[in-house]
Amino acid sequence: RKEVEQDPGPFNVPEGATVAFNCTYSNSASQSFFWYRQDCRKEPKLLMSVYSSGNEDGRFTAQLNRASQYISLLIRDSKLSDSATYLCVVISNTNAGKSTFGDGTTLTVKP
Amino acid sequence: DVKVTQSSRYLVKRTGEKVFLECVQDMDHENMFWYRQDPGLGLRLIYFSYDVKMKEKGDIPEGYSVSREKKERFSLILESASTNQTSMYLCASTPGGGNQPQHFGDGTRLSIL
Repeated sequence: RKEVEQDPGPFNVPEGATVAFNCTYSNSASQSFFWYRQDCRKEPKLLMSVYSSGNEDGRFTAQLNRASQYISLLIRDSKLSDSATYLCVVISNTNAGKSTFGDGTTLTVKP
Repeated sequence: DVKVTQSSRYLVKRTGEKVFLECVQDMDHENMFWYRQDPGLGLRLIYFSYDVKMKEKGDIPEGYSVSREKKERFSLILESASTNQTSMYLCASTPGGGNQPQHFGDGTRLSIL
């Protein structure tokens, strides 16, 4: 079983839709959580950190559920420009502080 | 803003060549990482370094070595390139102390013929 698992998708949604991705992690000692966005043939870029109380950045909301060991990303009012692959990232102090990346969820927003 | 610069966006080399991929960061970060990314396999950690002259093996170090002579520069070396090392290579850095998100360079798309 992978340490960090994501549904690969693809998620195909119309413009304006709300879409949510989940990411589960297996290491209960995980301390820090992030969502990255990766466009085709480009590098991953930090989208947002995920805080215990949940956090929002415009149309994007990230949540953490420690009891069930998953994080989520909600995108409201999807835009064509949101089409990308979304990677969740987990850092655990028991893994020498290294980041563990999920394989990503692909989102395509259609007109 | 953190700037991580990789020496080449695209590189074509021949089987058996020794290949050097360079990465430089300008934020005085202690930690630097090399990954490769292949379709369907996600990001895989090759090597990382927590300080000058220090290196640690990642998940797939075979066929690679690294060098960190200066804090800002982390080099990945393919000792004798093979076709199965054709891939997208990504360098990243973070400050020391852990729990910080990684900042990536633009990536090098390496083809071994």
